[in-house]
Amino acid sequence: AQRVTQPEKLLSVFKGAPVELKCNYSYSGSPELFWYVQYSRQRLQLLLRHISRESIKGFTADLNKGETSFHLKKPFAQEEDSAMYYCALRRAAGNKLTFGGGTRVLVKP
Amino acid sequence: GAGVSQSPSNKVTEKGKDVELRCDPISGHTALYWYRQSLGQGLEFLIYFQGNSAPDKSGLPSDRFSAERTGGSVSTLTIQRTQQEDSAVYLCASSPSRTTDTQYFGPGTRLTVL
Repeated sequence: AQRVTQPEKLLSVFKGAPVELKCNYSYSGSPELFWYVQYSRQRLQLLLRHISRESIKGFTADLNKGETSFHLKKPFAQEEDSAMYYCALRRAAGNKLTFGGGTRVLVKP
Repeated sequence: GAGVSQSPSNKVTEKGKDVELRCDPISGHTALYWYRQSLGQGLEFLIYFQGNSAPDKSGLPSDRFSAERTGGSVSTLTIQRTQQEDSAVYLCASSPSRTTDTQYFGPGTRLTVL
């Protein structure tokens, strides 16, 4: 069975500082990895997915199969980045998402 | 266009009562998912519908939980004989036909079992 671990429940950084959210997974196949974000009073929404290899809102994430990690990074955090972030895995050609426990990011002015 | 909608937004019930939660997916989306978001368990998969195929019920925590999807559109999640541990936010998501497509989430139904 697959598993996703986000070791940090809370990350507090100052505006302009770099932020990195850790995500590790366990799965024997070739998974699809995602980052979802939930801003205050808003619904869960996709931030980025590894197959797109894109930067969204200044965030990037690289899939490291050797370390089974998919860490999310942003070089200069903004106050509007304060939110709950979830790493998720989907088996290749699978359907359901397996989520990590989530990391709350607080960006202080 | 309209996103995934869920009703009610909040539901308070007494232990032992049955509840029904509704999800309206995005028009044209053939895949529909139910997840549960709770303090102790995080975000958990419950059930998945894809077109006319048999649903994947592997995430349902007990036989008190059931779901149906009528006409390939609206879905209802039913919890019978509710327990306090059922208290959570129940999220619905939908996606277009291919399983590799992005899942779009609804606002959720917050269920509180007293």
